[in-house]
Amino acid sequence: SQKIEQNSEALNIQEGKTATLTCNYTNYSPAYLQWYRQDPGRGPVFLLLIRENEKEKRKERLKVTFDTTLKQSLFHITASQPADSATYLCALAPPWMDSSYKLIFGSGTRLLVRP
Amino acid sequence: GAVVSQHPSRVICKSGTSVKIECRSLDFQATTMFWYRQFPKQSLMLMATSNEGSKATYEQGVEKDKFLINHASLTLSTLTVTSAHPEDSSFYICSAYKDGLNTEAFFGQGTRLTVV
Repeated sequence: SQKIEQNSEALNIQEGKTATLTCNYTNYSPAYLQWYRQDPGRGPVFLLLIRENEKEKRKERLKVTFDTTLKQSLFHITASQPADSATYLCALAPPWMDSSYKLIFGSGTRLLVRP
Repeated sequence: GAVVSQHPSRVICKSGTSVKIECRSLDFQATTMFWYRQFPKQSLMLMATSNEGSKATYEQGVEKDKFLINHASLTLSTLTVTSAHPEDSSFYICSAYKDGLNTEAFFGQGTRLTVV
């Protein structure tokens, strides 16, 4: 079965620096991969989606890369701000037509941005 | 962005009672909604897929008689935890796709259920 690994340790960085979060998967290549932000006691909020045939996606200060050879996605936040502090979830969509909407989530990495 | 609203945000109930959680899509119609459960510091686990006008599809290991799902309209799905026990205490979250499956998912704000 597919396993998704995200750093369980919190990532603690200084404001203004670039945060880089890692998402590794162990089995099949997903149809696409998504990143979500989750604040304590709240539901996830969508950030970016990257498809199997895409290597990089950007949105404002966010950048996602997708390397199917390494079975890895990297999520970058440039010029980080204390307001970026949250848990970031990686989610994969299985490549099968009848299950591609069933997202499989990692346990998330908590990001702390120090002022 | 699209809005999915969940109610209540927190509920405490006694063992043996049932609790109903509502999930509404406020500005779009959703023929399919999804129910997840999340334990502290763990990932979201898909429990079931709620289908408007038909039976829900449950993931392996999820008891359909325990977690009753009703999707009576294009904007409302409900999850009822029946005969709740302390081990059912968790964070329950619903989601829906506004622009079709395989696009971004919109999540409700979640419901913290505590069974005492």
